[in-house]
Amino acid sequence: DAGVTQSPTHLIKTRGQHVTLRCSPISGHKSVSWYQQVLGQGPQFIFQYYEKEERGRGNFPDRFSARQFPNYSSELNVNALLLGDSALYLCASSLGLAVYNEQFFGPGTRLTVL
Amino acid sequence: AQKVTQAQTEISVVEKEDVTLDCVYETRDTTYYLFWYKQPPSGELVFLIRRNSFDEQNEISGRYSWNFQKSTSSFNFTITASQVVDSAVYFCALRRQMEYGNKLVFGAGTILRVKS
Repeated sequence: DAGVTQSPTHLIKTRGQHVTLRCSPISGHKSVSWYQQVLGQGPQFIFQYYEKEERGRGNFPDRFSARQFPNYSSELNVNALLLGDSALYLCASSLGLAVYNEQFFGPGTRLTVL
Repeated sequence: AQKVTQAQTEISVVEKEDVTLDCVYETRDTTYYLFWYKQPPSGELVFLIRRNSFDEQNEISGRYSWNFQKSTSSFNFTITASQVVDSAVYFCALRRQMEYGNKLVFGAGTILRVKS
């Protein structure tokens, strides 16, 4: 079975632009979470979605938004990009929302903002 | 507040040495899970172990072992007879139940360099 997939692998944007990152969860998984990992730091929680509804949001500005589609794939959108948005964006999928549900991470999308 | 502290920023060892990575966490939750992940240069987070707050039994898996002590809020990770392939960034994380979901709170990570 395929694991969590993310696209694109790498992305270069300039300040002020908009970016869309995509994530496909493991088959059968209904929850998708997004994390931002700035160089030299641990991943920071951005969003969690379950059954197309937002179930959690981290401390990120409104420039960050996400959605989940009927097939459980997800998009993370970032508007008005800043240099500080340069990071590895990780997607994780899980069966459900229970704290014991395992989260499986994708390979990430590395975003560079110039 | 939930917090995970990995005080060791970087550790360098010579191959075959044993190394322990420290992790201290803070939470007021009674039910939570603790994790260790490995992140090689490729960037993907590789799951190593999960421990729930009610299970303080230590675990050994090959060269890896974990020591969970609730009394000191610590969940330390030991690699025995380290190998060059163990070189990576290691993250300790805490998963807590939120009102409508759950999230992982990560430490800052420890860079492990194993030299041959």
